[in-house]
Amino acid sequence: DSGVTQTPKHLITATGQRVTLRCSPRSGDLSVYWYQQSLDQGLQFLIQYYNGEERAKGNILERFSAQQFPDLHSELNLSSLELGDSALYFCASSASSTGPPSYEQYFGPGTRLTVT
Amino acid sequence: AQSVTQPDIHITVSEGASLELRCNYSYGATPYLFWYVQSPGQGLQLLLKYFSGDTLVQGIKGFEAEFKRSQSSFNLRKPSVHWSDAAEYFCAVVERGFQKLVFGTGTRLLVSP
Repeated sequence: DSGVTQTPKHLITATGQRVTLRCSPRSGDLSVYWYQQSLDQGLQFLIQYYNGEERAKGNILERFSAQQFPDLHSELNLSSLELGDSALYFCASSASSTGPPSYEQYFGPGTRLTVT
Repeated sequence: AQSVTQPDIHITVSEGASLELRCNYSYGATPYLFWYVQSPGQGLQLLLKYFSGDTLVQGIKGFEAEFKRSQSSFNLRKPSVHWSDAAEYFCAVVERGFQKLVFGTGTRLLVSP
């Protein structure tokens, strides 16, 4: 158990809908990362938040957005869903609030999104 | 272009045999290097990492990896594979000055009895 939690575990929804994925980082971690794992694209970085602020952006679609709240949990919002958005979405955390920057990321179990 | 390459999509190893999974990277400066394992239906678990120093690093579950700067490689090894090692293995890097992980395409390990 990495200490990173994600809900829900599975999500099935229809095209055009909007969903929210939730992530709670390890205790004390300030950074949250979102990754998408799909058969055709592999594991791809979407976005990073550090202590509530966006730190880096990857291949994230405009239909997708994220935020990190004061309690450090994060949500990934996916809207106008398409069949191609079906994937496993992972959250990871790192960067303890004490000590030097950490480049190790610890992953949650993921949310499997199926768009029908 | 910057990339992480895992040339083997699938590898089958007999239980008890040794294992080596290959990883090559193409970056200007040596990035931070990682190996992760993903068991079926599971998240990604960090096996080991290399930042600097000793080029042979030990990880969890009996895995080790060797960094070779001249070959831009970071190969994962295990002397004796167990059936429970069957999983997908990902090599990943963090480019210095950044924090996002860039993953290879993964190698699926099958363990035969």
